[in-house]
Amino acid sequence: GAGVSQSPSNKVTEKGKDVELRCDPISGHTALYWYRQSLGQGLEFLIYFQGNSAPDKSGLPSDRFSAERTGGSVSTLTIQRTQQEDSAVYLCASSFGGPIYEQYFGPGTRLTVT
Amino acid sequence: ELKVEQNPLFLSMQEGKNYTIYCNYSTTSDRLYWYRQDPGKSLESLFVLLSNGAVKQEGRLMASLDTKARLSTLHITAAVHDLSATYFCAPPEVQGAQKLVFGQGTRLTINP
Repeated sequence: GAGVSQSPSNKVTEKGKDVELRCDPISGHTALYWYRQSLGQGLEFLIYFQGNSAPDKSGLPSDRFSAERTGGSVSTLTIQRTQQEDSAVYLCASSFGGPIYEQYFGPGTRLTVT
Repeated sequence: ELKVEQNPLFLSMQEGKNYTIYCNYSTTSDRLYWYRQDPGKSLESLFVLLSNGAVKQEGRLMASLDTKARLSTLHITAAVHDLSATYFCAPPEVQGAQKLVFGQGTRLTINP
């Protein structure tokens, strides 16, 4: 079946602009996660959605970052007033609900802030 | 705060050799995941270890979990070039949680 998809695959933006990154999870998966991967920081958790529960936003690095998940499916990660340190690969993952299920990762969006 | 440490971070080895990657974590956890990442690619799930003493094997890779020692190992047997990748371990942030904390990754290079 179809895996997790993300768009765009690459995004180059100027410092100060806003960007939106999209994630389509695997059909039937109720949990959705956003991570950021950069050379200096490794793989960092950003935010996690589980069904209709309030999202766990504990990993968002600043209030410039926000995410929403509409209809329990597609998610959008928004970064406002981008900074150069936001440059990274943003990975989305999804899983069935419940702690024992593995997360399936999408291909990622490479964000470059110039 | 959970800390996850992998050892070694870089490993270069020859085909046919055996080696082990270690994953230590600082707080109690009931399970652990191993992922593989090829250069420029996303993460691929390798193993899900759900209990103390769990052992999983797939081809030349075998993973184990010792929750009492807070240690997981990924053993490579008779390495082949195709296993060259970066390997990550990830326990949950707290027992029972879905949020994972990833180790730094071990970059494995297998030379012919």
